[in-house]
Formats: sequence, structure tokens, C-alpha cells
Amino acid sequence: RKEVEQDPGPFNVPEGATVAFNCTYSNSASQSFFWYRQDCRKEPKLLMSVYSSGNEDGRFTAQLNRASQYISLLIRDSKLSDSATYLCVVNRGSGNTGKLIFGQGTTLQVKP
Amino acid sequence: ETGVTQSPTHLIKTRGQQVTLRCSSQSGHNTVSWYQQALGQGPQFIFQYYREEENGRGNFPPRFSGLQFPNYSSELNVNALELDDSALYLCASSLSGDPTGELFFGEGSRLTVL
Repeated sequence: RKEVEQDPGPFNVPEGATVAFNCTYSNSASQSFFWYRQDCRKEPKLLMSVYSSGNEDGRFTAQLNRASQYISLLIRDSKLSDSATYLCVVNRGSGNTGKLIFGQGTTLQVKP
Repeated sequence: ETGVTQSPTHLIKTRGQQVTLRCSSQSGHNTVSWYQQALGQGPQFIFQYYREEENGRGNFPPRFSGLQFPNYSSELNVNALELDDSALYLCASSLSGDPTGELFFGEGSRLTVL
């Protein structure tokens, strides 16, 4: 079993749709959580950190449920430019240790 | 864009050969991590260097080795290349103690082993 599991998709949605991605992690000692975005043949870039209280950044909302070891990302009003692979990421340590564990990624394709 | 540069961008090797990949970290960052990303998979942690010492290692064999230099740049060396080593190798720099936990990735070195 992988330490971080995601549905690889692809998710094909029309512009303006709301789409949600889920992720589960197996190591209960995990300390911090992130969503990274990776465009085709490019490097991953931090989209947002994920906190137990939930956090929102514009059209993006991330939630963490430590009891269920579950992380989610909600994208509202999808844009064509949101098409990318979204990587769920867990840091086993605290602070910035750089030893991030990545999920397989969920591919989103937003259609006109 | 991130200030992290990697070289070479693409290379082709044959089984059994050795390869060295290079990374220059973002200015001010003292920590470098290396990841391997196979096609259709997420990046997998190889190892991390902090102050020129290995500071954690993933599930990779000893033929994967690295160095960090006083200017915080880094090298990844892979000996006795195997076909399964074909992947995108990503270098990421960060600043130890940064509470955001953000890694800044280079564009990667795409290795093909024939």
C-alpha cells in the first residue's frame, strides 16, 4: 500500500464546474500537508498548505481530517488554466525537512 | 523562475553506465533534496543534503549517491544504470526552518536508459 493514495483520474470537467480531489495517507505521525500542482512536463509547484482548520485561497479550498487521515482539495468555478496534475503531499517531519512524500497525482482536464 | 537550475535537461545513457546530474539551489537556500519521478507517478524522495551532509534517505539503493558543496549546489550520481532508472530527476531547494515547508523545484533532468 502506498503511503499517500490518490485517484489518478483523469477528471474531465467543463469550465465553471466545481471539482473535488481526495487523498488518504497511512502514516499517522505525518506532521504537515500540502497540495502541489504540476503542469505537463514541468516541475511541481506549491499550490497551498493544508491545515486542520481548513484553508481557502480564492477558488481553492483545502481540508485536513487527521482522525480519518484524509486530505481534500476543492476547486470552484474551474478555469481552463486549472488543467494540471494535483499532487497530494505529506511531510513526515515537522517544519521544513524537505522529505516530502508525494501521491501519484490526480489529473484534471478542464474543457471549454 | 524558481531560481533552481538543473543540468543537463535531457540525457541518454546505456545500461551499466554512470551518470552525474547537477543542481544549483535558490539563493539563500541551504537544503537540497532529490526526487525521482517515473512517468505517471508522483516524485519519490531519494535523499536530502543539509550543510554538505546527507540528512535522510528514501528507499533507493547505494548506487544512488550525492554530494552537496559549500555553495549549497548539489550532485546526484547513479552508478550501474538500469532500465528502470529512466525517469525525471528533480532537485528541490529549501531553507531549513522555513515553517511554510515549501520546496522549490528545478525543471528536472530527464534520463533515458537504453
